[in-house]
Amino acid sequence: ETGVTQTPRHLVMGMTNKKSLKCEQHLGHNAMYWYKQSAKKPLELMFVYNFKEQTENNSVPSRFSPECPNSSHLFLHLHTLQPEDSALYLCASSQAGVGGTEAFFGQGTRLTVV
Amino acid sequence: QQQVKQSPQSLIVQKGGISIINCAYENTAFDYFPWYQQFPGKGPALLIAIRPDVSEKKEGRFTISFNKSAKQFSLHIMDSQPGDSATYFCAASSTDSWGKLQFGAGTQVVVTP
Repeated sequence: ETGVTQTPRHLVMGMTNKKSLKCEQHLGHNAMYWYKQSAKKPLELMFVYNFKEQTENNSVPSRFSPECPNSSHLFLHLHTLQPEDSALYLCASSQAGVGGTEAFFGQGTRLTVV
Repeated sequence: QQQVKQSPQSLIVQKGGISIINCAYENTAFDYFPWYQQFPGKGPALLIAIRPDVSEKKEGRFTISFNKSAKQFSLHIMDSQPGDSATYFCAASSTDSWGKLQFGAGTQVVVTP
C-alpha cells in the first residue's frame, strides 16, 4: 500500500467506550497530523508530531489522547467522548521542515458518538 | 479565530463555465497557499499551490491568483466539468510552522451538465 491509510473507516461508540483510531503512512515523511472535520467548519488541527515528538496540542480535550510510536504510525485514543465529538477524523503526513510542503491525507474515520 | 476566510460557501456552475473561489488571510507570515479538493468519502487531496513570490500559477484548467498586498488569493476553475463537483478548501501555512495548515471553511462546487 502507498499513501496514508486510516482504520477503521467508520466507528460508532458509546460515550463510555474506549476506542482507538489508527493511521499509517508509507511515504517516509517526518511529520504527522490529526485533523477534525465537522460539517460546515474548517478542518481543525488537533495534534502535530515531528520525528515522533508531539509539537502541538491545539487545546484538545484530554478525552483525545494521541500516540506516535514511530514516524510511520499515529494513533488517536478515545475515551468518554461526547456526541459533539462526532466528526470525520483525518490523519495527514508531510515532509515538513523548510517551507510549505504537500500534506497527504488519509480517507478519514467517520466517528459517531451515541 | 479563523485565520483563513473562504467564500462562497457553495457554488453552482454550468458545464463549461468558470468557478471562482476566494480566500483571505491575516497572518503575514504565511508563505505557502495550497488548495485542496475533497470528494465525498475521501480525504482532501492537493490540487494546486502557490508561494507569495508569484502572482499567478496555472495547472491545466486550475489557476491560483495571489494578491500579496490585499492578503487574498483565489482559485479559478476554467471550463468546469461535472467531475469537478467537490468541496474545495484553501489553506495557508508558514515556513516555521512544520507543515501545519490553517484551512478555510470550504466551498461546495456543483457543476451541472
